Amino acid sequence: NAGVTQTPKFQVLKTGQSMTLQCAQDMNHNSMYWYRQDPGMGLRLIYYSASEGTTDKGEVPNGYNVSRLNKREFSLRLESAAPSQTSVYFCASREEDDGRSSNQPQHFGDGTRLSIL
Amino acid sequence: GESVGLHLPTLSVQEGDNSIINCAYSNSASDYFIWYKQESGKGPQFIIDIRSNMDKRQGQRVTVLLNKTVKHLSLQIAATQPGDSAVYFCAQHGLFFGTGTRLTVIP
Repeated sequence: NAGVTQTPKFQVLKTGQSMTLQCAQDMNHNSMYWYRQDPGMGLRLIYYSASEGTTDKGEVPNGYNVSRLNKREFSLRLESAAPSQTSVYFCASREEDDGRSSNQPQHFGDGTRLSIL
Repeated sequence: GESVGLHLPTLSVQEGDNSIINCAYSNSASDYFIWYKQESGKGPQFIIDIRSNMDKRQGQRVTVLLNKTVKHLSLQIAATQPGDSAVYFCAQHGLFFGTGTRLTVIP
């Protein structure tokens, strides 16, 4: 049972390039999330998807787009990467339908380390 | 908006001692809190949770205390071991994370 799988694990981009971060979960969870983690900032919510077919903005959505491809997969896209988007990106999932108000813990992947030069 | 913070960014304890990690929150409407552990190079891992209708919850070597009056919760780790060295986060609804406390266990 793999849980939450993120690809790639590492990536270096040049400013202005585009990229899609992939995330898949095999736990049949309804809700999925994208966070970024910067030193001293903790995790900040970028976008989430309460259920298949829906997406909503989190705290820091600017510069990102997401696609809930199906129940298993939730991708994060950087259309024109900027150095300020250098970070570690985490995907998470949990069972609940209501993505923002839930009494269940999330399951996290091991992150994608993204550097933008 | 949500605000979750931690009192100390780092904590060092001797192996075998008890550890206490604190967290303050601002949204009094929050009714669910989670503690996560994050090891180097890994994603956060669930440790224990607590709902607002409880003041205390115990797990294996861990206890979470919730004080709704002062909007504070703490994570207590008993008999701290080297494997407990990590960054610990509290989260409201599992969505809004504090900055984390790095726990270092000294052998």
